[in-house]
Amino acid sequence: ILNVEQSPQSLHVQEGDSTNFTCSFPSSNFYALHWYRWETAKSPEALFVMTLNGDEKKKGRISATLNTKEGYSYLYIKGSQPEDSATYLCAFPRDGQNFVFGPGTRLSVLP
Amino acid sequence: GAVVSQHPSRVICKSGTSVKIECRSLDFQATTMFWYRQFPKQSLMLMATSNEGSKATYEQGVEKDKFLINHASLTLSTLTVTSAHPEDSSFYICSARGTFPHRANTGELFFGEGSRLTVL
Repeated sequence: ILNVEQSPQSLHVQEGDSTNFTCSFPSSNFYALHWYRWETAKSPEALFVMTLNGDEKKKGRISATLNTKEGYSYLYIKGSQPEDSATYLCAFPRDGQNFVFGPGTRLSVLP
Repeated sequence: GAVVSQHPSRVICKSGTSVKIECRSLDFQATTMFWYRQFPKQSLMLMATSNEGSKATYEQGVEKDKFLINHASLTLSTLTVTSAHPEDSSFYICSARGTFPHRANTGELFFGEGSRLTVL
């Protein structure tokens, strides 16, 4: 059974704080690792698609790293803002196409 | 960017009726769409892969006769929950892989807004 795990399940931070959370996935037969942000009442949107071990990607205050050998990815948010409040999902295509999603990390940024 | 529209967003029906959910790619052609189901506080669970012009591929444990998927065109896939029962109440969401000209090389998924089904 292919499992993608995320921690923590939920997180509350104050505006301005930096935070990070983890996605772990099987390290064998790696194709890619996706991060999505899912705001309430909206569609999930892709943040990063990561393919290479050691990848580090950045979009504004959000960045992600990838370790395919040990099977984990970190998502970092610097200087969290209330608009960062969302559920962050990671997803792993088990066969290159069909994605297994983690349960998500629900982030609440308090003003 | 690529847009996927899903309709209806909410539906309430009586037990025994059938409900159809539509997923449309508005500005790109989606040869493959994916249908997911999410129970409260759980992950998105892949139900089936919808292939244009051919039969859907269902995940283990998903009843083909219960969840009918039709992908008749490159921009439309439908999920029909047949003879719905209260245990089918859930959140259903579709996605499609981007194709030219929308980020075809990244493999990222573009999602619909989701449909909340409540079966009384």
